Amino acid sequence: EPEVTQTPSHQVTQMGQEVILRCVPISNHLYFYWYRQILGQKVEFLVSFYNNEISEKSEIFDDQFSVERPDGSNFTLKIRSTKLEDSAMYFCAVRLLDYHEQFFGPGTRLTVL
Amino acid sequence: GEDVEQSLFLSVREGDSSVINCTYTDSSSTYLYWYKQEPGAGLQLLTYIFSNMDMKQDQRLTVLLNKKDKHLSLRIADTQTGDSAIYFCAESRGGGADGLTFGKGTHLIIQP
Repeated sequence: EPEVTQTPSHQVTQMGQEVILRCVPISNHLYFYWYRQILGQKVEFLVSFYNNEISEKSEIFDDQFSVERPDGSNFTLKIRSTKLEDSAMYFCAVRLLDYHEQFFGPGTRLTVL
Repeated sequence: GEDVEQSLFLSVREGDSSVINCTYTDSSSTYLYWYKQEPGAGLQLLTYIFSNMDMKQDQRLTVLLNKKDKHLSLRIADTQTGDSAIYFCAESRGGGADGLTFGKGTHLIIQP
């Protein structure tokens, strides 16, 4: 089972500020995903990433979101101008090639004030 | 679009079996998963079933799939206090980068 860590565990920001959430997978050759979970609601798919490009994205993943893997290790989700409704838990997930299971990180709680 | 439905709460007595149910709408679903989320924690993959199977057993966990009715269940035998959590049903079409579609989760409450 691939190990996934996320930083920070909790991020507080002001509305309109940019935030970068980080995911650090331990293994190579992975698909990467971001999901979010607004308090009390279901986990929602945002985007998947493979071979240094976006593979799929949901309608939630609009122009204020971007993803990249700048150093071949960390996988980041950037929110350019945060809104109050962006407050949620953000989960990174990874999947090994030739396997279908997705393994989730512990999440980053984003609070937008 | 795809949808996954679960009842929100299930209360069982310690030692009894818990059965958590899920229905889904996407007939292209290839893999169906059960994840567990304890308070303040991430999502732990418990088990999964491939759509060409109708049952899978893994220690205390039994997954049943009725593909015709698009109904999935998770049975936890001999429920313990440590099983108290939210259980999420999720499905995917199994494509390379396919995102998972989750249900809202079932809160499993264990009574002593």
